Amino acid sequence: NAGVTQTPKFRVLKTGQSMTLLCAQDMNHEYMYWYRQDPGMGLRLIHYSVGEGTTAKGEVPDGYNVSRLKKQNFLLGLESAAPSQTSVYFCASSYSQGNTEAFFGQGTRLTVV
Amino acid sequence: GENVEQHPSTLSVQEGDSAVIKCTYSDSASNYFPWYKQELGKRPQLIIDIRSNVGEKKDQRIAVTLNKTAKHFSLHITETQPEDSAVYFCAATQLGSQTGANNLFFGTGTRLTVIP
Repeated sequence: NAGVTQTPKFRVLKTGQSMTLLCAQDMNHEYMYWYRQDPGMGLRLIHYSVGEGTTAKGEVPDGYNVSRLKKQNFLLGLESAAPSQTSVYFCASSYSQGNTEAFFGQGTRLTVV
Repeated sequence: GENVEQHPSTLSVQEGDSAVIKCTYSDSASNYFPWYKQELGKRPQLIIDIRSNVGEKKDQRIAVTLNKTAKHFSLHITETQPEDSAVYFCAATQLGSQTGANNLFFGTGTRLTVIP
């Protein structure tokens, strides 16, 4: 099992450009999440999904959109990148029967210039 | 929503000493409290967790205590080793909430340095 895999690992965008981050998990988890990690602020939830075809807003959803067309994939989109979106993005997944542990991807370092 | 506060933000200890990291939470409905360790440049990984129906849990050199009344929980690492150096995050969530998801609310992290 690969666990949770994020693509890409690094990216530099110009202000106003768009991009999509892909998260894939092979653990048959129901729940998937996108977090951003900024210095001194911990991990903050952007959007989450409780199952295929469902998404919901987290703590800091503005400027981001998500989709979960397949159970194993959770996509995070930035339609018009801003310097404030410079961050490290982590995808996570959790919940299979009897197991609540959240597993994280390796992170995507995004810089918006 | 839930608000988790974590202290201290940095902690340095001599190898072999103990380290304690403390967190408080605001939502009395939270019932699951995991701790994650993040080594430099790596992903966060679960090291121990506790549910609200117990007050303490131990796993070798790591222990977590929970005080539901005061709404705080702590991570204790004994006999620290250089490989314990990392950033530690506490988190809280309500399993079985109305959202249907186990959304974790994280503290801001503690950078632990173990000095050889």
